[in-house]
Amino acid sequence: SAVISQKPSRDICQRGTSLTIQCQVDSQVTMMFWYRQQPGQSLTLIATANQGSEATYESGFVIDKFPISRPNLTFSTLTVSNMSPEDSSIYLCSVGRGGEQYFGPGTRLTVT
Amino acid sequence: QQQVKQSPQSLIVQKGGIPIINCAYENTAFDYFPWYQQFPGKGPALLIAIRPDVSEKKEGRFTISFNKSAKQFSLHIMDSQPGDSATYFCAARCHDMRFGAGTRLTVKP
Repeated sequence: SAVISQKPSRDICQRGTSLTIQCQVDSQVTMMFWYRQQPGQSLTLIATANQGSEATYESGFVIDKFPISRPNLTFSTLTVSNMSPEDSSIYLCSVGRGGEQYFGPGTRLTVT
Repeated sequence: QQQVKQSPQSLIVQKGGIPIINCAYENTAFDYFPWYQQFPGKGPALLIAIRPDVSEKKEGRFTISFNKSAKQFSLHIMDSQPGDSATYFCAARCHDMRFGAGTRLTVKP
């Protein structure tokens, strides 16, 4: 399995500000993913972040709004920029290991 | 993004019952089919997974049945307990993971 931690666990932010979410994995992984889960909904892939290359974004998500860094094989950050109430969601970091995929505990973001 | 259809949306069973959650997919390139269990306020936890060369996989009280020709797979929970009350997501992966809409399971004592 994989041990994944995220910071912060939750935050309440004002409209127009930005928040950076950190994801730390217990050991090196090649592929890291960021998902969004809106209240009561399923998981939607935002982007795939591989170390040493630019993140690949899914349709409907753009780098200016959700910039991602992947400085090494155990760490990644997702920034939610210029936030609006529609960005209120749970943001989840996920990693692939041994053919399986594991999720962090999530960051619950509320934008007022 | 959803390429996996999951049903039912919600399910209520009595303790000891066998809830069954179904998923269907279209993309024959999917090669990995996991189920995740999510409790409120927590991230999804990998429960059990199957690959398309196997028709059934059992881990404890959880069983996946896989029908490749029908492009369907299902989760069965034997002897369900109130502690199994959670939201369950099926998923399918080709290059990245696609999730079903989720099933909220309630097991009544």
